[in-house]
Formats: sequence, C-alpha cells, structure tokens
Amino acid sequence: EVQLLESGGGLVQPGGSLRLSCAASGFTFSDYAMSWVRQAPGKGLEWVSVISHSAGSTFYADSVKGRFTMSRDNSKNTLYLQMNSLRAEDTAVYHCAKGQCSSTSCYNDYWGQGTLVTVSS
Amino acid sequence: DIVMTQSPDSLAVSLGERATINCKSSQSVLYSSNSKNYLAWYQQKPGQPPNLLIYWASTRESGVPDRFSGSGSGTDFTLTISSLQAEDVAVYYCQQYYTGLGTFGQGTKLEIK
Repeated sequence: EVQLLESGGGLVQPGGSLRLSCAASGFTFSDYAMSWVRQAPGKGLEWVSVISHSAGSTFYADSVKGRFTMSRDNSKNTLYLQMNSLRAEDTAVYHCAKGQCSSTSCYNDYWGQGTLVTVSS
Repeated sequence: DIVMTQSPDSLAVSLGERATINCKSSQSVLYSSNSKNYLAWYQQKPGQPPNLLIYWASTRESGVPDRFSGSGSGTDFTLTISSLQAEDVAVYYCQQYYTGLGTFGQGTKLEIK
C-alpha cells in the first residue's frame, strides 16, 4: 500500500524558514518523480514543485522560484521542501504526491494528507 | 501557461441523476504524436487529499467506480457521473499535464439537490 506522510509544518513568521519532509513507502521511491502541491485554506490546488526520480531535474512555480528548494534522498525514501523567505500567501496545506510523468509533465496517482504551513506574525 | 477553466463553479444534482462537469483548456492538450489528451480529473472530499479518478482524459484509475467517466479532446473535456451517489459529494478538479508544471482548474463543488 502506497503511503505518503508529510511532516514539518507549523506556524512561522513572515520572512522565516521551514523544512517539510515526506516519508514514502509501499512503492519503489527511486523510480518515480515526486511533487509538492499546496492548497490555501478554502482555495484550489496549486502545483509548487516537481523533482525527477533521480533528482536530476526540478521545476518550480513562479510564485516560489528562488525561495523554495525541493530535494529527495532515495536512500531514505524521503522528499523535502526547504521554504525560505516565507510570505503570508504561502499559508496552505502542503501535499506531497507521487507522479506519473510523461516527457512533458505529470499527473499524481497518490497524495499524502498534507501538512499545514501558517505564515503569520 | 495553460489556463484550465471549469464550469460550473458549483452544481446540485439529485441522487441517482447524472452530473456533468466541464473543463476547458486555453490551448490544446492533445499530443499529436501519440493522440493522447494530457488531462486528469481528481475528486477531493472535505478534509481529504485529492483522489485521482481519470487520466488520459478517459482512462479510469483502478478502483474508481464505473459511474465516473471522462470524455473530450483538444481543449474541451467533461467528467460525467452517471448516477449520483451520496458519497460523490466533493470538489472536482481537472488538471493538464501537457506542459510544464501541471495546472488545475478552479474546482467544481458538487452537492446533493
């Protein structure tokens, strides 16, 4: 059974940093691209970033480019999202998701429950 | 970026009746080399993460009831629930994966009439 368990969310002041983790199990982690997708309270879904299976490629939404860094440790089956210079508009539930990717982009076949990040003074 | 627009924003349907949700992309998501539409549908129930229903515009994910079907090509797509059940109350999202980071529609909230 595929499981994705996010952690690391919490309350942080504007300008602060936070590191999210996602522990994966139930599939061969190193074979799949992975993504972070966020959802602001009461709002829709926004793709934040995606990383290739080997970590050779990463892509970011314009809204987080230069502030967020996605990485993975295939030996630990774990995905990370380092978030710096956080803004109020980054407040959201952050989901990690397992990707099914073509040469161009991905859809996600499994999602974690998410971890809430609140940016507020 | 490809913009995905769903209609309607909300929908109320009686139990056992058909529900139809539309999704329009700002450019075609049909890849000519393989004739596949790079379009997925998700269901999100309150307090839960999204759940994949449909990919390649019309392929049902394993375990998804056959009352859910996807259709369309190019820029216009439809998710149909043939006979609405109480457990289908949710927000439904379309998503293109033709290019770049996938972009989602704004969501359609489905309720029981």
